Amino acid sequence: NAGVTQTPKFQVLKTGQSMTLQCAQDMNHNSMYWYRQDPGMGLRLIYYSASEGTTDKGEVPNGYNVSRLNKREFSLRLESAAPSQTSVYFCASGYRAPGGTEAFFGQGTRLTVV
Amino acid sequence: TQLLEQSPQFLSIQEGENLTVYCNSSSVFSSLQWYRQEPGEGPVLLVTVVTGGEVKKLKRLTFQFGDARKDSSLHITAAQPGDTGLYLCAGTYSGAGSYQLTFGKGTKLSVIP
Repeated sequence: NAGVTQTPKFQVLKTGQSMTLQCAQDMNHNSMYWYRQDPGMGLRLIYYSASEGTTDKGEVPNGYNVSRLNKREFSLRLESAAPSQTSVYFCASGYRAPGGTEAFFGQGTRLTVV
Repeated sequence: TQLLEQSPQFLSIQEGENLTVYCNSSSVFSSLQWYRQEPGEGPVLLVTVVTGGEVKKLKRLTFQFGDARKDSSLHITAAQPGDTGLYLCAGTYSGAGSYQLTFGKGTKLSVIP
């Protein structure tokens, strides 16, 4: 079972370059998420998509854009990468459980901006 | 921004010891989850609690949701090296969109053989 698949797993960018992080899920979940994880900061929500065709900003959206391409795929784009965007990025898909959403995560993309 | 405070931030114990970690907020949760994350991996869901006062057990792990649904605890009995990892709590707040999932900063647990 693939679950949530992220590509690439590692990436090094130069300041100012752009790139798109890809995420796909095969669990037929409606909601999808992008988080970043930095040492001592926990997981911070960048953007999320409650359902196909909708996207909303999270806690730290500046410098990022997203596209919910279809129910399976949710991509994250960095238009002009900055060293402050060096982080580990996690994509998750969400299952609507009683009281809230349960999330299932990919293995992460480790991004370094030099 | 809603805040989830986890304590302690770091915990190092000997194999066989018991431990408790905490998750607190000033706001009410509609549900709360605990995840475990191992190095180089994404977080993995352990449990969801929904009802105030609820207690759930998963082998040697006991999860409790506070009566007021503002706090939760995770107790591990007779810790083993395989329990080593980052324990994260995450909440969906009452009144917020039920799709928003907010994480605490985590408790990093090391169990020494």
